[in-house]
Amino acid sequence: QVQLEQSGAAVEKPGASVKVSCKASGYTFTTLDINWVRQAPGQGLEWMGWMNPNSGNTGYAQKFQGRIAMTRNTSISTAYMELRSLTSEDTALYYCARAQRGSSWYYFDYWGQGTLATVSS
Amino acid sequence: SYVLTQPPSVSVAPGETARITCEGNNIVGKSVHWYQQKTGQAPVLVIYYDSDRPSGIPERFSGSNSGNTATLTISRVEAGDEADYSCQVWDNKGDPVVFGRGTTLTVL
Repeated sequence: QVQLEQSGAAVEKPGASVKVSCKASGYTFTTLDINWVRQAPGQGLEWMGWMNPNSGNTGYAQKFQGRIAMTRNTSISTAYMELRSLTSEDTALYYCARAQRGSSWYYFDYWGQGTLATVSS
Repeated sequence: SYVLTQPPSVSVAPGETARITCEGNNIVGKSVHWYQQKTGQAPVLVIYYDSDRPSGIPERFSGSNSGNTATLTISRVEAGDEADYSCQVWDNKGDPVVFGRGTTLTVL
């Protein structure tokens, strides 16, 4: 069965970076995009960006351009999301999600369990 | 960028029908997907491509899309359906993935 297993909770200081991992199993990692979506406390879902695990190509939400990086290690079927220059507004649950893509549609059929990142001095 | 508008909350009694709307400009031209998120859990896809159900999702969940409004309908609502429901589309202008802010379904 498809699973996305994320790394554990992180606590970082303002100005630091956080890197979250997402290990995929139950399917061929390189065949489907991995996306990252975050959810601040009491808020809705916020899309951060996508990565093609085969090519390494990425696309980021405008809000995060310049301080986000999505990478992967195909040998261990793991995707990573690093967010830099953290502020308290980055305190959130971070999810990875597998995407299904069509010519005019794109949705997320499997999600990781979420990683809580807390930014605090 | 494309905006999806959902009501903050919907309340229904057990056994009744819940309808959760998702409004967007000419949304009928897009494929709409819906996610259920129970407290403390990750989102789960319940409807994709406007009205298709993933395996394991009860037939009580259905979707439609017309004009400027997409609708998630939950028939014969159960207490276990209490959750936040979010709609999502793909947009070819601006950020490509757009979520609605979510609707909290309360079963009275």
